[in-house]
Amino acid sequence: EAGVTQSPTHLIKTRGQQATLRCSPISGHTSVYWYQQALGLGLQFLLWYDEGEERNRGNFPPRFSGRQFPNYSSELNVNALELEDSALYLCASRYRGDGEQFFGPGTRLTVL
Amino acid sequence: AQSVTQPDIHITVSEGASLELRCNYSYGATPYLFWYVQSPGQGLQLLLKYFSGDTLVQGIKGFEAEFKRSQSSFNLRKPSVHWSDAAEYFCAVGAISGGYNKLIFGAGTRLAVHP
Repeated sequence: EAGVTQSPTHLIKTRGQQATLRCSPISGHTSVYWYQQALGLGLQFLLWYDEGEERNRGNFPPRFSGRQFPNYSSELNVNALELEDSALYLCASRYRGDGEQFFGPGTRLTVL
Repeated sequence: AQSVTQPDIHITVSEGASLELRCNYSYGATPYLFWYVQSPGQGLQLLLKYFSGDTLVQGIKGFEAEFKRSQSSFNLRKPSVHWSDAAEYFCAVGAISGGYNKLIFGAGTRLAVHP
């Protein structure tokens, strides 16, 4: 069974640009979560999508947004990039109910 | 407010020694508790989880954890550490509302293993 996949592996952008990160959940999983792991800030919850809808949002500005497609894959968009957006962005998926979250390898975003 | 505390930022043990990583949580109801491990540059791998029932939970790679409600703790243990266990370990609590909808992580404990 294929795990959670994320693309790209690395992404380098300059301040003010937009970044798009992609996530494909495990087959059959309907929930997708996004987390940010920034140096010194730990792992912070960003967004939760389930059945195509945004269900919950962490304490991040509106320039962090995303969507979930009918095939349950998801996209995270970060607009007007700032230097402090440099981080590892982790995607996780979960089957409906109380199962655990399975994490992808992450996308490392570097903002110059 | 929900929170997770991992008091030890770095721990160093010798290969073959026992290990205990501490985790304390703050949550108003019965929590869903998790331990994840992250190798450098990698995503998170679930070691074990506690949802209910037996308070001693067995996980992968020989790890176990014990849920102690009175102490609000969920410490991770391993009787004999291998060099390949060197990694960063995260304790997390899941918010409960029709199934948890996000994980709150501790700051992590980085484990180094001496040969």
